[in-house]
Formats: sequence, structure tokens, C-alpha cells
Amino acid sequence: NAGVMQNPRHLVRRRGQEARLRCSPMKGHSHVYWYRQLPEEGLKFMVYLQKENIIDESGMPKERFSAEFPKEGPSILRIQQVVRGDSAAYFCASSPVTGESEQYFGPGTRLTVT
Amino acid sequence: QQQVKQSPQSLIVQKGGISIINCAYENTAFDYFPWYQQFPGKGPALLIAIRPDVSEKKEGRFTISFNKSAKQFSLHIMDSQPGDSATYFCAAKSALGRLYFGRGTQLTVWP
Repeated sequence: NAGVMQNPRHLVRRRGQEARLRCSPMKGHSHVYWYRQLPEEGLKFMVYLQKENIIDESGMPKERFSAEFPKEGPSILRIQQVVRGDSAAYFCASSPVTGESEQYFGPGTRLTVT
Repeated sequence: QQQVKQSPQSLIVQKGGISIINCAYENTAFDYFPWYQQFPGKGPALLIAIRPDVSEKKEGRFTISFNKSAKQFSLHIMDSQPGDSATYFCAAKSALGRLYFGRGTQLTVWP
């Protein structure tokens, strides 16, 4: 039973470029959460999605960031016009269809903006 | 405002000793309290979790103690091993589903 998968694992972008981070939840999970981890800090919630629905985006910066979880395919976190401050590890977590509390995390995507 | 406060920031324990990490929260609507273990370069791994109607939960060498009236919970690692050296995060879940994390405790277990 494969765990949560994220790709790419490492992503380098120059300032002003776009970053696309992908997350495939565990089999049978239809709830996806994105978190960001800055160096020496805990994880900060960004957005919670179900298939084709954004449930809670209260942690997303108002500009340049967007997320989707289409009917088919992985969840995508998109960052437009990246800036140095976007450099962080981005983690995706998933939980089961029934909305159980357990969230299982992927290995993360480490974004570096040069 | 930090919804979940975690201490200490770092902890050094001798092999075989007990590691204790503490967390406090403000929002009484939180309904689930997990602990995660994270190794460098990896994602957080769910270690153990508790609901507020239970005062203690034990799984192997890991125990969560939960004090609802004080709004505090703690992780105890018995017989700590060098392989336990990692960063530990406590968290609290809101009714909507998001997790609020503490800032983490870097545990080092000396052989």
C-alpha cells in the first residue's frame, strides 16, 4: 500500500518563475492537506481540499498561490512568480474518505528560489 | 498567535532514559492531538495520537498524557534509544480538519 507521494522531491526555480508541486494521496484517501515548513519552524497549514472542492484555504497567501485537486490525477499546489521567501519544504498529507482524523504525510518537496 | 506551544525546543537524553516533551493549547474545540516524528529530509510520520476524552494512551515505548482541564498534553518516550533522535512535533486538529503544529523539539539521545 503506497504512501502519500509527492514530486518533484527537489525543485529549484529562479525568482519570477512558476512552481508546480504535485501530491498523490494514499489509496482510498480523498482528503488532501498542504502544509509549509520553513527552516527551524513547525508546519503551517495552507489549504484543505477534497476532490474538485476547496474546503479550507484560510492558510493560503492571498496572491500567487493556488491549489486544486481534480477528479482525476494528483493535487497540485501552484506558486506563481516565486520569490526567495517561498523557499521552504512543502508537505502534502492525506486522510481517508470517511474524514478520519489521521493525516499521513508525504516526503515533501523542497523548493529553492534563487 | 501560536495556537499550540511546545517545549523544550531541544532535549538531550542518555540512552535508556525518559524523554518528555510538553505541549499546551488554547482552543477547547480541538478534537484530536497527534504527535509526529520527523527525521532530516523526510516527511513527518504519525507516531501516536489521542482524543480529549482519554487521559492517557500508550503504544510500545511511547505514551501520551492528556490533561483536558489544564489544556496540556505530553509525550513520554521510555527507554530512549539513539534511533529516537529526531524532531518531534505535537499538533492539534480543528473541527474543520486543519492541524496546528507546535514548533518542534529536537531530541538527541546519547549512546
